[in-house]
Amino acid sequence: SQQGEEDPQALSIQEGENATMNCSYKTSINNLQWYRQNSGRGLVHLILIRSNEREKHSGRLRVTLDTSKKSSSLLITASRAADTASYFCATDLDTGRRALTFGSGTRLQVQP
Amino acid sequence: EAGVTQFPSHSVIEKGQTVTLRCDPISGHDNLYWYRRVMGKEIKFLLHFVKESKQDESGMPNNRFLAERTGGTYSTLKVQPAELEDSGVYFCASSQELAGGETQYFGPGTRLLVL
Repeated sequence: SQQGEEDPQALSIQEGENATMNCSYKTSINNLQWYRQNSGRGLVHLILIRSNEREKHSGRLRVTLDTSKKSSSLLITASRAADTASYFCATDLDTGRRALTFGSGTRLQVQP
Repeated sequence: EAGVTQFPSHSVIEKGQTVTLRCDPISGHDNLYWYRRVMGKEIKFLLHFVKESKQDESGMPNNRFLAERTGGTYSTLKVQPAELEDSGVYFCASSQELAGGETQYFGPGTRLLVL
């Protein structure tokens, strides 16, 4: 599997429900970042979580990081139709390079 | 504060032609990155500038791709000659150097179609 692989690949929920997306990676990281991409648009940065952090919140977003399991999760609470987008995790590997390694993304559909 | 901008937003060219993409990073950001997403694949790193210097170009696919950042401000990515497999979305990102990790801010991308 790829570094920074998201799960599930696609998720469809009703407005008001919570959405959880997971990301797994293989090697040591400096940080992990979550991005959103609306159809045909650019990548919007959501949250950066450092390797020594376990949880971060930003509005309706909650990100967790478990470095022992090499995994992260993104929780969107009380979802809205406007949250419909693709969500990507990207890892900044602990290699001295700054290149982000992206997963294939989770496509979230929030039904109104 | 203006975000990362890219030009053009779309480009359609024929195989063998040349295309030049431009990226203007957020003012004050020394780090500039190019990524691309070809159809059905993940977003892949191409290269990283620190000011005008190429810090890491390990992701550049071949010598048909040339990136420059003269003066350490905007950057261009030239594809010459373009091939069909170069079609995709080319993203630019910029960041400041911060202890403990840096956020990379992405532009809207340039959608390239090679026919």
